[in-house]
Amino acid sequence: AQSVTQLGSHVSVSEGALVLLRCNYSSSVPPYLFWYVQYPNQGLQLLLKYTTGATLVKGINGFEAEFKKSETSFHLTKPSAHMSDAAEYFCAVSDPRLGGSQGNLIFGKGTKLSVKP
Amino acid sequence: DAGVTQSPTHLIKTRGQHVTLRCSPISGHKSVSWYQQVLGQGPQFIFQYYEKEERGRGNFPDRFSARQFPNYSSELNVNALLLGDSALYLCASSSYSGANTEAFFGQGTRLTVV
Repeated sequence: AQSVTQLGSHVSVSEGALVLLRCNYSSSVPPYLFWYVQYPNQGLQLLLKYTTGATLVKGINGFEAEFKKSETSFHLTKPSAHMSDAAEYFCAVSDPRLGGSQGNLIFGKGTKLSVKP
Repeated sequence: DAGVTQSPTHLIKTRGQHVTLRCSPISGHKSVSWYQQVLGQGPQFIFQYYEKEERGRGNFPDRFSARQFPNYSSELNVNALLLGDSALYLCASSSYSGANTEAFFGQGTRLTVV
């Protein structure tokens, strides 16, 4: 069975500092990987995804993530945090053997990002 | 264009009651999925429907059921409500069920069971 582990339920950074949100997965086959962001009282918005090809993927709002198969990781980074980045971030996987659908995702528990002025 | 719309936005039910949640996908989208997000947790997959057929089911009891209508809107039904069913229920729609098609989420229905 697939699973996702997000290290750190809460991360706090200063404005302008590097953002690093950690995600490790467990899967018998390389999964498809996703990062979503959720603002208070909102649904989820896709930041970026990895399916195949280049292992460094760039997303919206300056975020990027790198798929490392040997480390079973898909950490999310942003070089310089902005106040508007404060939100909850979820890492998710889907199983390519089931079509890898974004409508059938396994999510981590989330990491709440706070940005200090 | 309108995004994914869910109704109602909030509701309060009593243990043992039944509830129906509704979702209208983005125009042209044929796939609808339902997730349960308990406070402090990530969303958990409940159902996926594509072209009115069930394409996936998560690990939820039979009290949970869903259907998709000819216009691709969907209902999630929960019978015999328990306190533990209190959660944000999210609906997501996509144009089809493949990995390279983005799923767009609605703002959710906040269900409180008392």
